[in-house]
Amino acid sequence: SQKIEQNSEALNIQEGKTATLTCNYTNYSPAYLQWYRQDPGRGPVFLLLIRENEKEKRKERLKVTFDTTLKQSLFHITASQPADSATYLCALQRDGGSQGNLIFGKGTKLSVKP
Amino acid sequence: SQTIHQWPATLVQPVGSPLSLECTVEGTSNPNLYWYRQAAGRGLQLLFYSVGIGQISSEVPQNLSASRPQDRQFILSSKKLLLSDSGFYLCAWSFRQLEAFFGQGTRLTVV
Repeated sequence: SQKIEQNSEALNIQEGKTATLTCNYTNYSPAYLQWYRQDPGRGPVFLLLIRENEKEKRKERLKVTFDTTLKQSLFHITASQPADSATYLCALQRDGGSQGNLIFGKGTKLSVKP
Repeated sequence: SQTIHQWPATLVQPVGSPLSLECTVEGTSNPNLYWYRQAAGRGLQLLFYSVGIGQISSEVPQNLSASRPQDRQFILSSKKLLLSDSGFYLCAWSFRQLEAFFGQGTRLTVV
């Protein structure tokens, strides 16, 4: 069956360190993968999209990698800050073409301690 | 610019009562529309998605239904709510299956 797995439910790190979150998927062949941030009681907010032909993408302190052979994406936050504390979700399109829909992992709750 | 409106923000309903949650999108045409539910401590569960007026795909069989009477309007309904319907409901839109934009969500408590 098709699955999206974010291996860690929670990740605690010290301020200034790099946070690395993992997203694995099985039985999909997504054209792209996305990462979102969700704060408590709010809807997710889009952060980054990476396409299957891109190995890496960066946006300010964020970096995403996409390995279609390993079926894995890594999400990095460098020089982490307490304000980065939130739940981070990966998402991908389940089906190809115009009829696709967006499926999310369960998320990893990141806590950055000062 | 595009905006998404979802209401109400909070709702407390008795078991067996009907439900209607509405979501509208402004500033775009023919978006893909989604209803998700997030139970406490759990991930986002896709309930329904729509790629056009009157076109609804259901992901999880349950006592909820969705309708898209207009291009930018998406409605989530139930004839009789169950306790298990409690959760955080989120409407979202995307264009060509790229990034999704979410509404503020509705916290539904069935009592």
